[in-house]
Amino acid sequence: AQKVTQAQTEISVVEKEDVTLDCVYETRDTTYYLFWYKQPPSGELVFLIRRNSFDEQNEISGRYSWNFQKSTSSFNFTITASQVVDSAVYFCALSEAWGSAGGTSYGKLTFGQGTILTVHP
Amino acid sequence: DADVTQTPRNRITKTGKRIMLECSQTKGHDRMYWYRQDPGLGLQLIYYSFDVKDINKGEISDGYSVSRQAQAKFSLSLESAIPNQTALYFCATSDRRDNEQFFGPGTRLTVL
Repeated sequence: AQKVTQAQTEISVVEKEDVTLDCVYETRDTTYYLFWYKQPPSGELVFLIRRNSFDEQNEISGRYSWNFQKSTSSFNFTITASQVVDSAVYFCALSEAWGSAGGTSYGKLTFGQGTILTVHP
Repeated sequence: DADVTQTPRNRITKTGKRIMLECSQTKGHDRMYWYRQDPGLGLQLIYYSFDVKDINKGEISDGYSVSRQAQAKFSLSLESAIPNQTALYFCATSDRRDNEQFFGPGTRLTVL
């Protein structure tokens, strides 16, 4: 069964600090996707990134970067020079890829429990 | 206009009442999902539907039922609401060729 663990329940930083949110996953599949979502205080889910299991290249998008390491089953998310607007709950999620063997589990997301990030001015 | 809409956005009801949450999408996706979010637990899958005739239970389907009235509509029902069903409910859609899910704005349900 799929499992996603976000060990950090809450993180508190001061503005301009860098912060890394950890995500560790478990899956039996060789083909899968990993996601990060942001949930601001308003409650909606904002898609941040998707990464497939064959692409271990790290990605940077502005102040956001992601470090995917299959060897340790981790997909960590770093915010550089954090801002108050980054305060939110962040979720890591795992999905078996479409067409994977094993039946009708395509496309379902398994979420971690979320990390509450608070950035203080 | 939003691609995935949920109605109502907020609902307060009493124990034992039947409640229906509705989800509509204009993305043309064939796959739709219902998730529940409890504080500190992330999102858990309640039901999912890969097309109008294919509906499947997720991790926490007990106490819930669904109806896929059309490709664009997927409703979640609580036959007899109980207080521990108080949560934030999300609908999501995805295309069969791409498993990125698009989420609705959520429905905050309170059962007294």
